Amino acid sequence: GENVEQHPSTLSVQEGDSAVIKCTYSDSASNYFPWYKQELGKRPQLIIDIRSNVGEKKDQRIAVTLNKTAKHFSLHITETQPEDSAVYFCAASNPMNRDDKIIFGKGTRLHILP
Amino acid sequence: DTGVSQDPRHKITKRGQNVTFRCDPISEHNRLYWYRQTLGQGPEFLTYFQNEAQLEKSRLLSDRFSAERPKGSFSTLEIQRTEQGDSAMYLCASSFGPLDQPQHFGDGTRLSIL
Repeated sequence: GENVEQHPSTLSVQEGDSAVIKCTYSDSASNYFPWYKQELGKRPQLIIDIRSNVGEKKDQRIAVTLNKTAKHFSLHITETQPEDSAVYFCAASNPMNRDDKIIFGKGTRLHILP
Repeated sequence: DTGVSQDPRHKITKRGQNVTFRCDPISEHNRLYWYRQTLGQGPEFLTYFQNEAQLEKSRLLSDRFSAERPKGSFSTLEIQRTEQGDSAMYLCASSFGPLDQPQHFGDGTRLSIL
């Protein structure tokens, strides 16, 4: 089955700098890759997703890149702000897989330093 | 509020007791998912429904766990004879369409076993 590895587990960046979180996946047939942000005590919220037919997607300060050959995808946050502090989860899924479920990484705790 | 709602938010019970959680998905969503999340981990898939049919169950879901989704609307997750290891956050998510459509999460039910 699919396995998703995420790193780093913890990331501290100065406010205004960029943050990059990387994930790798094992199932080459996976074709949907969402990213979720979870603040302390709150629900995971989808912040951006990408499908395998594109290599990059941007939404304001957030971008995701996908390298299907290498089976890795990354989240990029530019001009970080205090409200970006949270745990970020990547995930991968293969809708054609009989198991038909999304597999999450273990998360990256992002700290934005003042 | 038209998001996914879960009830209760917190549940404290003694080991060996039965507990039941409820999830109300976004009304037009045909898929409903249950996840378990422990501290420092990403959500782990438990089971999912397409309309009223339960299509997949994780190996994490022992025979003490049962889920239902009568009439394809709300869902319940029951845990019988709770054990210490059942302490976790139980998250519900819903989506419309296939697996490469965004899943929207509820706030979860935090279960604590004394």
